[in-house]
Amino acid sequence: GENVEQHPSTLSVQEGDSAVIKCTYSDSASNYFPWYKQELGKGPQLIIDIRSNVGEKKDQRIAVTLNKTAKHFSLHITETQPEDSAVYFCAAGPYYNTDKLIFGTGTRLQVFP
Amino acid sequence: ETGVTQSPTHLIKTRGQQVTLRCSSQSGHNTVSWYQQALGQGPQFIFQYYREEENGRGNFPPRFSGLQFPNYSSELNVNALELDDSALYLCASSRREETQYFGPGTRLLVL
Repeated sequence: GENVEQHPSTLSVQEGDSAVIKCTYSDSASNYFPWYKQELGKGPQLIIDIRSNVGEKKDQRIAVTLNKTAKHFSLHITETQPEDSAVYFCAAGPYYNTDKLIFGTGTRLQVFP
Repeated sequence: ETGVTQSPTHLIKTRGQQVTLRCSSQSGHNTVSWYQQALGQGPQFIFQYYREEENGRGNFPPRFSGLQFPNYSSELNVNALELDDSALYLCASSRREETQYFGPGTRLLVL
C-alpha cells in the first residue's frame, strides 16, 4: 500500500546549524509533497510544499528538494533557531494538490541555544 | 493561525458510546478532510468531503462517518467507540485540489 517513510525520528542541533529531514514515498502517482510543523497542542501548520514538476523550492531559511526518480524528498532548515523546535511531518499526495495525504511518522527537532 | 476551528477541544467518552466532532472551514474553502493522529504518529486520512458528499476514504471502518453542510462546515461521527479510537482528530480545509490547512484538533480519550 501507499507509504511514506521519514528519517530521522529525532534530531538535535545547535542554534545556527542546519537540519535535514528525509522522506521516501512508495506511490509513484504522488505529485504533491507538503511539509508541516506541529507544535505541542496544536494542529499541523504548512511550512512549505513542492509539486512534482519542480525539483527544488526555497522560502527564506527553509528549502525542499525532490527526486522523483528515487522517490525521495527532503526538508532543509538553515540557521536554525530555538523556535524551530517542533515535530515536522512530510506528506505525499496522490494527485496534483490534495485529496488524500499520506503522512510520515514525524521528526522531533530540538534546537539548543 | 489558520481560520479552521474545531470543537470541542477535549472530550472523554467510554467504550461503546458515540461521539460527534465539529469543524468550521476557513472562509472560501469548500473541501474538508478529516484525519486521526494517534500519539507519536503522523495523521492518518479518514475521509474527505466536497460539496456535501464523501470524496475519498481511508482505511477506516463504517462506524466512522461524516457530514458536510451547505456552509462547508463538517462533522465527524464515530459510533461504538473503542479504546484505540483515542487520538487527536484533525480537520483540514481547502479549496478543491489546493493546499490543506489544519485546525487545532479535538483530543478524544476513550476509557
